[in-house]
Amino acid sequence: AQKVTQAQTEISVVEKEDVTLDCVYETRDTTYYLFWYKQPPSGELVFLIRRNSFDEQNEISGRYSWNFQKSTSSFNFTITASQVVDSAVYFCALSGDWYNFNKFYFGSGTKLNVKP
Amino acid sequence: DAGVIQSPRHEVTEMGQEVTLRCKPISGHDYLFWYRQTMMRGLELLIYFNNNVPIDDSGMPEDRFSAKMPNASFSTLKIQPSEPRDSAVYFCASSLRLEGLAGVNEQFFGPGTRLTVL
Repeated sequence: AQKVTQAQTEISVVEKEDVTLDCVYETRDTTYYLFWYKQPPSGELVFLIRRNSFDEQNEISGRYSWNFQKSTSSFNFTITASQVVDSAVYFCALSGDWYNFNKFYFGSGTKLNVKP
Repeated sequence: DAGVIQSPRHEVTEMGQEVTLRCKPISGHDYLFWYRQTMMRGLELLIYFNNNVPIDDSGMPEDRFSAKMPNASFSTLKIQPSEPRDSAVYFCASSLRLEGLAGVNEQFFGPGTRLTVL
C-alpha cells in the first residue's frame, strides 16, 4: 500500500535561512508520481511540482529545489533564502497504485514558520 | 482562467440538518475529487469521478455522505443528516487526463468549504 511520511511536524526558521522539508514514501510500484503542495494561511492548496519515478533529476525553480532519491525513497524540498511569504503547510503526495493512479496519498504536512 | 469553484465558502448548520456542498471543476478536466481535511485525520480523499462516473468511493465515511456529478461542470457532496464530527474543510479538486501515457497529472484544488456542525 502507498504511504507518505513527513516526519517534521513544524519547522521555524528566520528569514533568509535555507530549509529542507523531508518526504519519505513507500510503494511497491515501479511507476509512480510524487507531488508537493503548499497550503498558505488562506487555506487553498497550491500545486508546486510533479515528478515521475523515472525522472531522478533534481529540479530547481527559483528559490525552490527538489531532491528525488529512489534509493532512499525520498523526495525532499528545499527553500533557499526563505521569506516570510513561504510560511505555510507543505504537503507531499504519492500517486495511487498502478491501477488507481489518481488516488493520491498525502503526508500529514510540515508547517513552516518563517520569522522576519 | 477560472480555477475550481466551490460554494458555499463557509457553512454553519445544526446537527441533523442536510448540507450540500457544490463544486465546479476547471473546464475540460476529466477528473473531479472530493477531499476532507481535519486536524486529526489530515487530508482524506472521499470520492473521485472520471468523466462524471464515480471511480473510487472507498473514502466516503458512511451512508450519510453521498456525491453526484450530473454533468462535466458540476458536482455536489451531500451530508444527511449532519453530525458535529463532520465539521471540517471540504475541498474539491480537478485534473486533466494525461494524454498518450499511463500516468497522472496534478490536481488543482478549490478554496474549500469550511463546514461547522453545531
